Amino acid sequence: NAGVTQTPKFRILKIGQSMTLQCAQDMNHNYMYWYRQDPGMGLKLIYYSVGAGITDKGEVPNGYNVSRSTTEDFPLRLELAAPSQTSVYFCASSYLVEDTQYFGPGTRLTVL
Amino acid sequence: GDSVTQMEGPVTLSEEAFLTINCTYTATGYPSLFWYVQYPGEGLQLLLKATKADDKGSNKGFEATYRKETTSFHLEKGSVQVSDSAVYFCALRARGNKLTFGGGTRVLVKP
Repeated sequence: NAGVTQTPKFRILKIGQSMTLQCAQDMNHNYMYWYRQDPGMGLKLIYYSVGAGITDKGEVPNGYNVSRSTTEDFPLRLELAAPSQTSVYFCASSYLVEDTQYFGPGTRLTVL
Repeated sequence: GDSVTQMEGPVTLSEEAFLTINCTYTATGYPSLFWYVQYPGEGLQLLLKATKADDKGSNKGFEATYRKETTSFHLEKGSVQVSDSAVYFCALRARGNKLTFGGGTRVLVKP
């Protein structure tokens, strides 16, 4: 099993550019999550999904969009990149909300 | 709101030394408590957890006890190895079932 996979591993964007961070899981988990991790800070929840077609905002959703068309995939979209979005982004999944979350290896994004 | 405070790092130790990482929390009700570990270049992995007061979570030689009276969940290991070098995150899950993380503590174990 691959678990939770994320692409790309690293990316540098210019201010105003857009990109999509990919996340996929092969564990048939219902719940999927996007977090950002800033230096010295804990992870902050950006968006989450309880199943295909259902998404909801977390703590820090501004500047991001998500979609969940399949159980496996949960891409995160940045429309107009800003320096404040420089961070490490983690995708995670769990079967039920109270279950252990499994994390991907992360995407390090720099916006210049 | 819910919050988790853990000691800032980095913590630098020699192999076989004793490790303690302090973690305290603020939450309403009775949260579940977790320690996650992040090895270099990898995502977070669940290390151990405790779901009620006085529970002790343990894994890979690490232990933490849920202390409701002091709202703490300190992580300990009696004899660390170089392979324990990582970033450790304390977290809680309370109302709404969302995870709230502390800022992380980097641990470096030298041979």
